[in-house]
Amino acid sequence: EIVLTQSPGTLSLSPGERATLSCRASQSVTSTYFAWYQQKPGQAPRVLIYGASRRATGIPDRFSGSGSGTDFTLTISRLEPEDSAVYYCQQYTRSPYTFGQGTKLEIK
Amino acid sequence: EVQLVQSGAEVKKPGESLKISCKGSGYSFTSHWIGWVRQMPGKGLEWMGIIYPSDSDTRYSPSFQGQVTISADQSTNTAYLEWTSLKASDSAMYYCARVSSGMASDLDYWGQGTLVTVSS
Repeated sequence: EIVLTQSPGTLSLSPGERATLSCRASQSVTSTYFAWYQQKPGQAPRVLIYGASRRATGIPDRFSGSGSGTDFTLTISRLEPEDSAVYYCQQYTRSPYTFGQGTKLEIK
Repeated sequence: EVQLVQSGAEVKKPGESLKISCKGSGYSFTSHWIGWVRQMPGKGLEWMGIIYPSDSDTRYSPSFQGQVTISADQSTNTAYLEWTSLKASDSAMYYCARVSSGMASDLDYWGQGTLVTVSS
């Protein structure tokens, strides 16, 4: 099973700042088969990025993804208060299609 | 509009059986895999397994194999997650989600979640 480790566990930033969230895989992941999700309290997750770098429909261009192999990054430029959420990475290169443990992003 | 509507919250006792549902609409239900994801209280997302409603091909995470059964009914555009003997540790929110393209792809539409509480 591919284990995804996200860092940091919690990130506290101010509006307008830039957030960099990391996800490291225990084995190499095909970038085509990698996604990022956002989950706000009391809501279902929603996909932000798929294929490591492709924004899902309706996702603002403040959100961007990059990476390959075992290291992937979600960058949120110009943070807004509504970006406060937990962010999860997921690989679907090899079943089971595991999630990372999440990074909680707090907007001060 | 693509929608996945899940059945309502359940409160059960240990040892009881349960089957929760996820009804798809607004798209060709048999053309997309459906996945199930567990979220225990205050915890992260866990991928449980997926099913292809067209032929009921099912893949399970080893962590959930033998613990739950995933099924689907083409005639009603509904996927199911079933337990035969619940444990307190099954208490969690369960989400169904559509796999966007093929078997290995992101989860692009999600149900609202079904909260399962198992308590004596």
